[in-house]
Amino acid sequence: KAGVTQTPRYLIKTRGQQVTLSCSPISGHRSVSWYQQTPGQGLQFLFEYFSETQRNKGNFPGRFSGRQFSNSRSEMNVSTLELGDSALYLCASSLVDGRGETQYFGPGTRLLVL
Amino acid sequence: AQSVTQLDSQVPVFEEAPVELRCNYSSSVSVYLFWYVQYPNQGLQLLLKYLSGSTLVKGINGFEAEFNKSQTSFHLRKPSVHISDTAEYFCAVSEYGQNFVFGPGTRLSVLP
Repeated sequence: KAGVTQTPRYLIKTRGQQVTLSCSPISGHRSVSWYQQTPGQGLQFLFEYFSETQRNKGNFPGRFSGRQFSNSRSEMNVSTLELGDSALYLCASSLVDGRGETQYFGPGTRLLVL
Repeated sequence: AQSVTQLDSQVPVFEEAPVELRCNYSSSVSVYLFWYVQYPNQGLQLLLKYLSGSTLVKGINGFEAEFNKSQTSFHLRKPSVHISDTAEYFCAVSEYGQNFVFGPGTRLSVLP
């Protein structure tokens, strides 16, 4: 079974631009979560989507948004990029089985904002 | 809300020596506990998880962890480490499978 895939793997943008990151979950997984990882803040939860609905949201400004499609693929958008948005963005998918959601992570998209 | 503490930010250890990475959590309800490993320039990989049942959990690559409810701990152990175990290790907790929270991570460096 293929793992979680994220595209693109690397991205360079300038301040003020916007960016869209894509995540394809493991086949059959319906939950997709997004995380931001930086050396200073560690792993921070952005949001989670389940069946095309945002189920949980972390403490990030409205410039960070996401959506999920009917095939469970998810996109994350960051508008008006700031230097501090430079980070590794990780996507994780889960199979909701009611006993604890093990999350399976993709390789991440490394975003550099200049 | 739950939180996770990993007291050791870096742990150097010689090859073939045992290692323990500490994780403590706080939560007002029952939780699920996880350990993930991140190799350089890669995403996170699940090592093991505790949902219920036996408090000693065995994972991949020879790792194991023990859930101690009274001490709210979930320490990760390996009896003999290899150079290839050099990576960053994250403890995570979720309440009833929701609201995943990660610890700050422990960087394990295995020395030859």
